[in-house]
Formats: sequence, structure tokens, C-alpha cells
Amino acid sequence: NAGVMQNPRHLVRRRGQEARLRCSPMKGHSHVYWYRQLPEEGLKFMVYLQKENIIDESGMPKERFSAEFPKEGPSILRIQQVVRGDSAAYFCASSPSLPAEAFFGQGTRLTVV
Amino acid sequence: KNEVEQSPQNLTAQEGEFITINCSYSVGISALHWLQQHPGGGIVSLFMLSSGKKKHGRLIATINIQEKHSSLHITASHPRDSAVYICADASNRDDKIIFGKGTRLHILP
Repeated sequence: NAGVMQNPRHLVRRRGQEARLRCSPMKGHSHVYWYRQLPEEGLKFMVYLQKENIIDESGMPKERFSAEFPKEGPSILRIQQVVRGDSAAYFCASSPSLPAEAFFGQGTRLTVV
Repeated sequence: KNEVEQSPQNLTAQEGEFITINCSYSVGISALHWLQQHPGGGIVSLFMLSSGKKKHGRLIATINIQEKHSSLHITASHPRDSAVYICADASNRDDKIIFGKGTRLHILP
């Protein structure tokens, strides 16, 4: 049973470009969470999704950020028109439900130049 | 909203020392996570516990529900234990996991 897979591991984008981060949850997990870790800071919740539904996006910046978890395929975190302040590590986690152990991916390190 | 506080923020110790990392929280929880994040690496779930004590190898996690406090212990510490250790409230309150800021552990050879 493969773990939570995130890709790419490292992503470099120029200011103004779009960044797409992918997360494939563990088999059998229908809950996906995205977290952002800014340099030298803790993990901050962004969004919680179940298949085809956004359950809670209270941690998402109001503009430029969007997330989806389609019926088929990975969850996608999309950042449009990236700025330097978007440079961070983005982690996704999946679980069968809460409370339950959430398994984390290796993260995608986004660098905006 | 639960506040999860960890101490110390940074810890440097010699190889072989017994390590304790503390986590306190302000609102009663039903599940607490201890996570490990290696430099430049991903996050690994170490323990999830709701009461008592769990042990895995040289790692021990305890939780005191009444005192709203959990500890992570590492016995016979080794340089490869150097990482950031994070505790988190995974109680399903508002469907969020609430993380502490982490404890940066550095074990010197």
C-alpha cells in the first residue's frame, strides 16, 4: 500500500506563473488535507476536501489559490500568478476519517523566483 | 480553538542522552499526534494516542488527559534522531488538525 504521493517534490516558478501541486492519497482514504509550511514556521491548515467536495477552505488565501479532489485522480492545489511569498513547503495528508491517523506526503517545495 | 504549545523550541543534546519533548493543549482532545519532520524531508507519523502510553522502539509517548499534557521521550538518543518533532490535536474539531510549532532536536555525536 503506497503512502501519500505528492509531486513534484520541488517546483520552481517565476513570479506570475501558475503552480500545480498534486497529491494522491493512500488507497482507501477519502479525506485529503493541504497544509502550508512557511520557512521557519509551523504547519498551517489550508483546505480539507473529500471526493468532489471542498469541506473546509478557511485556511486558503482568498485569491489565487484553489483546490480540487475529483472523483478520479489526485487532489490538486493550484496557485495562480505566484508571488515570492508563496514560496513554502506544501504538504498534503490523507485519512479514512477523523479522528484517525493522518498520513502525510513528502511535500512539494515551491520556490518562486 | 485549541492552542497547542510545545517546549522546548530547540534542544541540543549529546548522543545517548534521554530526551523529553513536551506538548500542552488548552482544550480537551480525543486524539493527539506526534509527528517527525526530517530536514528537507517529509513528515512521518510517530504516534497517535488518546490515553496512556505508547512505545515504539526507542520512542515513548505519554498523554495525561486531566492535565492536558503529552510528552515524547527518546531513549539512548542518536544523531539520526535529529529532526523537528511536532505534536498535533487530531480530535476532528472543525475537521482540522491543529499543530504545535515543533521542537527542533539536534543530537551531537
